[in-house]
Amino acid sequence: DVKVTQSSRYLVKRTGEKVFLECVQDMDHENMFWYRQDPGLGLRLIYFSYDVKMKEKGDIPEGYSVSREKKERFSLILESASTNQTSMYLCASSGLAGWSYNEQFFGPGTRLTVL
Amino acid sequence: TQLLEQSPQFLSIQEGENLTVYCNSSSVFSSLQWYRQEPGEGPVLLVTVVTGGEVKKLKRLTFQFGDARKDSSLHITAAQPGDTGLYLCAGGRGGDMRFGAGTRLTVKP
Repeated sequence: DVKVTQSSRYLVKRTGEKVFLECVQDMDHENMFWYRQDPGLGLRLIYFSYDVKMKEKGDIPEGYSVSREKKERFSLILESASTNQTSMYLCASSGLAGWSYNEQFFGPGTRLTVL
Repeated sequence: TQLLEQSPQFLSIQEGENLTVYCNSSSVFSSLQWYRQEPGEGPVLLVTVVTGGEVKKLKRLTFQFGDARKDSSLHITAAQPGDTGLYLCAGGRGGDMRFGAGTRLTVKP
């Protein structure tokens, strides 16, 4: 059974804190993605990675950074959390060939609240 | 503005009714996917369509990709409470994939 796991289901942080969201996949997928999901806005791509140590900006990278040191793990970092980063964060992975066609497997999400 | 516009945003119907939800764009896509997301979970892929005019059926769900590959529809026949969820479309262009905001469907018993 394929799986994408995220380190926390719920997280509450204070403004200015550094926040780490971890994502692990067990499918040996090359591609990994971080999205945020907000009501009425759908899923917006923050960053993605198509290989270890590689990263590409998505549509809304400002205020975020990522790290991919191992193939199975993709971390999202909020350097200094702000209230407008309160959201649901979803991690996904997909296989290599023709990757825009491939199914993305999602984790259950982390609901982050920044106070 | 969304690259992919989904309509309606919300839909509440009785068990047994039929429904259609739409995904529209001014852009051409090389592929289009439909996902369903249940509360507290991540989206799960239902179908991928890649050819203009393509129709795919998944039990009571029928998916259609527009001839010009700019739009898609999802039709559910005889909806059941288990169909309740957020239905998301996602369009692929080369290496990019972008999601719509979704249609939140509630099917009442």
